[in-house]
Amino acid sequence: NAGVTQTPKFQVLKTGQSMTLQCAQDMNHNSMYWYRQDPGMGLRLIYYSASEGTTDKGEVPNGYNVSRLNKREFSLRLESAAPSQTSVYFCASTGTSGYTGELFFGEGSRLTVL
Amino acid sequence: QKEVEQNSGPLSVPEGAIASLNCTYSDRGSQSFFWYRQYSGKSPELIMFIYSNGDKEDGRFTAQLNKASQYVSLLIRDSQPSDSATYLCAVNRGGGGADGLTFGKGTHLIIQP
Repeated sequence: NAGVTQTPKFQVLKTGQSMTLQCAQDMNHNSMYWYRQDPGMGLRLIYYSASEGTTDKGEVPNGYNVSRLNKREFSLRLESAAPSQTSVYFCASTGTSGYTGELFFGEGSRLTVL
Repeated sequence: QKEVEQNSGPLSVPEGAIASLNCTYSDRGSQSFFWYRQYSGKSPELIMFIYSNGDKEDGRFTAQLNKASQYVSLLIRDSQPSDSATYLCAVNRGGGGADGLTFGKGTHLIIQP
């Protein structure tokens, strides 16, 4: 059982380049999330999708776009990368019947923007 | 916006002692509280969740919730070197549970052999 799978695990970009982080879950979860984690800042919510067909902004959405492709997949796009977007990005999911609200995380994607 | 506060540490505890980690939250309406453990370079993993006032025990871990004081704690008994990690406190962002969690910045715990 793979859980939450993120690709790529590592990426180096130049300022102004674009890229998409992919996330897929195989737990039949309804809700999916993108967080970023920076030293001293903790985990901050970028965007989330409470259910298939919906997306909402989190705490730090500027510079990002998301797509909930289907129930399994939720992608995060950086249209014009900036050095401030250097971070570790985590995808997470939750939500089946009787769920506790806990998040299940992927392994993370480490992005460096030069 | 909900805020979750933790002492960043590092908190150093001798092996075999009790480690006590604390967390306060700003929104009195928060309903669900979570403790995650994160090893360096790894993703967060859930240790415990608690909804009701009082204590909840799971093995060597005890979560304590005091809603009146807006305070959550995690006790680790018989601390082991493998418990050395960053511990993240989190609370629900919304009432329905699908809005995700707000995390504190984490407490770095070091268990000294």
